[in-house]
Amino acid sequence: AQSVTQPDIHITVSEGASLELRCNYSYGATPYLFWYVQSPGQGLQLLLKYFSGDTLVQGIKGFEAEFKRSQSSFNLRKPSVHWSDAAEYFCAVGPRNTDKLIFGTGTRLQVFP
Amino acid sequence: DTAVSQTPKYLVTQMGNDKSIKCEQNLGHDTMYWYKQDSKKFLKIMFSYNNKELIINETVPNRFSPKSPDKAHLNLHINSLELGDSAVYFCASSQEELAGGGNEQFFGPGTRLTVL
Repeated sequence: AQSVTQPDIHITVSEGASLELRCNYSYGATPYLFWYVQSPGQGLQLLLKYFSGDTLVQGIKGFEAEFKRSQSSFNLRKPSVHWSDAAEYFCAVGPRNTDKLIFGTGTRLQVFP
Repeated sequence: DTAVSQTPKYLVTQMGNDKSIKCEQNLGHDTMYWYKQDSKKFLKIMFSYNNKELIINETVPNRFSPKSPDKAHLNLHINSLELGDSAVYFCASSQEELAGGGNEQFFGPGTRLTVL
């Protein structure tokens, strides 16, 4: 069955520190891969997506993610976190024949000054 | 200039009532979706419509009935509300730029439904 696992429910970092949010997926073939961010009381906003080609994907707000087929992972990174990055982050996979998205359970990021 | 809007933002109601949530997008997209986010933040797709036609219908109780009067609107009607229906409901839309899926979805701000 298709699934997405985000092992870290809650992460706390200091402002300026680097960040890595983990995402592992289970799917028969390489799916489309997405990272969304949800700020408090808001809808979800797409940070970046991977379809094919270069496995290192650049997104908005200084985020990047790396697809590793051998590990079935799509981890999100940012070299220096800002206080405004505090939010809930969702990894999602999309089968290659539909726009249906399967979301992970999210990682809540807290940023301390 | 809200791209995807939902009304109401908050909805508090009694068990057994019938309620509707409205969604409108002004992006000119062909496809619209409803998602449910439960208290643990788990987000799951319920329905999707493409040009007013039902495309995705997950295992959702028959009490939930989506209606798309035109491709810019997708409303969600819920009959006989139950406690377990309490959640945040998100509407989203996308444009098929890529055949075969993977198109970016734009989400509305959500409707927080509380069933008492």
